[in-house]
Amino acid sequence: GENVEQHPSTLSVQEGDSAVIKCTYSDSASNYFPWYKQELGKGPQLIIDIRSNVGEKKDQRIAVTLNKTAKHFSLHITETQPEDSAVYFCAASMGSGGSYIPTFGRGTSLIVHP
Amino acid sequence: GAVVSQHPSRVICKSGTSVKIECRSLDFQATTMFWYRQFPKKSLMLMATSNEGSKATYEQGVEKDKFLINHASLTLSTLTVTSAHPEDSSFYICSASPWDSMSGELFFGEGSRLTVL
Repeated sequence: GENVEQHPSTLSVQEGDSAVIKCTYSDSASNYFPWYKQELGKGPQLIIDIRSNVGEKKDQRIAVTLNKTAKHFSLHITETQPEDSAVYFCAASMGSGGSYIPTFGRGTSLIVHP
Repeated sequence: GAVVSQHPSRVICKSGTSVKIECRSLDFQATTMFWYRQFPKKSLMLMATSNEGSKATYEQGVEKDKFLINHASLTLSTLTVTSAHPEDSSFYICSASPWDSMSGELFFGEGSRLTVL
C-alpha cells in the first residue's frame, strides 16, 4: 500500500518568514495530493491540493509543488503569520478510478512566533 | 467548500455506557464516509469506511462490535462506542467525499472529544 513520509515533525519560524513542509510517497499510482490544516481541538481543513498533471499550484500565500519523478511534494507558506500556527498534514490518494482513501503523513506542527 | 457537521463536539460518559456520535454532510450527498481516531499529537488513524446501505469496512485491529457504524442515509453516518472504557477516550473525526466527486476531495467534521470516566 501507499506510504507517506512527512518532514519535519516540528517547524518553528518567526513571523514573516517562509515555511516549507515536505512529503514523499511510495505508490506511483497516487494522483491526488491534498494538504490539511488542523487547529487545536478541531477537525482538519483542506487548504490546498494538487493533482498529478500539475507541477505547481498557488493560492495567495500558500503554494504546493509536485515532483512525480521523485515522488515528493511540498507545501510552501510565505509571509507566515501567527494564525498559521497549526498542525499540517499531507496526504496521497488515487483520487479517481481507484480507492480514494488518502494515506496521511504524520503531521507537522508549525509554530509561528510573533 | 462542502460542510461536514459532527455532533456532539464533546462528550463525557461513565465507563460501561455507550456513546453515539453523528456525522452529517450538510450540502452534499456522500455514499461513503470515513471515521478516524486521533491521539494527542498524533496523526489520523482510519478506523472504518462507512458505506451507505451496507456494512462498514473496518481497518485491521479495530473491533467492529466495539465501534458500531451505521450509514442509514446519504447524509448521515453514526459511530457508537459501546461499553466505553477509559482507553476509548480520544478525538474522533469523520470525513466525507461528495458522491459525484471524481477527484476524491475529503471534507472533515469538527471532531468529537470523548472522555470516559
